[in-house]
Amino acid sequence: DTTVKQNPRYKLARVGKPVNLICSQTMNHDTMYWYQKKPNQAPKLLLFYYDKILNREADTFEKFQSSRPNNSFCSLYIGSAGLEYSAMYLCASSSWVLSAETLYFGSGTRLTVL
Amino acid sequence: LAKTTQPPSMEAYEGQEVNVSCSHTNIATSEYIYWYRQVPHQGPQFIIQGYKDYVVNEVASLFISADRKLSTLSLPWVSLRDAAVYYCIVTDMAGGYKVVFGSGTRLLVSP
Repeated sequence: DTTVKQNPRYKLARVGKPVNLICSQTMNHDTMYWYQKKPNQAPKLLLFYYDKILNREADTFEKFQSSRPNNSFCSLYIGSAGLEYSAMYLCASSSWVLSAETLYFGSGTRLTVL
Repeated sequence: LAKTTQPPSMEAYEGQEVNVSCSHTNIATSEYIYWYRQVPHQGPQFIIQGYKDYVVNEVASLFISADRKLSTLSLPWVSLRDAAVYYCIVTDMAGGYKVVFGSGTRLLVSP
């Protein structure tokens, strides 16, 4: 099974409220990524986990948190959602075991902040 | 400094061959070249990857220049379903490397 699963597919949130998005993969991949995708823009890397090590991009450092309690699961947490957080959030995973392994993407969670 | 540069958009008719170019002048010796495409409401989908020379699979072919600073994705016989944004990415996937998307090329296909 080479799928990355994201839940939920669609999510509504109120301004100022927290948001938690979930991603899972059963391929035993060591690296998991979170991207934010807005219309007519390229996917923007927010953060990634390599094993248990979290790497966050400098310009989104304060805005997003993440947790990876085990190899298969990774969450993206927004402490206080703003209107600008409305976007598609994409999770992906990859493995170092095979050199030049590809990224596998989930179908995304579309977040709408009202 | 962007790692890759692509034309913002291209147009083609069904049945044509389409060649999408990507410039990666600062590519490192450890980095590979990947192509993904994304249609609306879906995550990016892997198309092909290569390190040098020429790679072909059932979906596309990839030509990489001798100095590895330019790559060209070739899509034979495009159909309406090939309309998407095509992303060229250069990265080392060997564990713990971030993967950053460039601006991509939007391919428009007309009947």
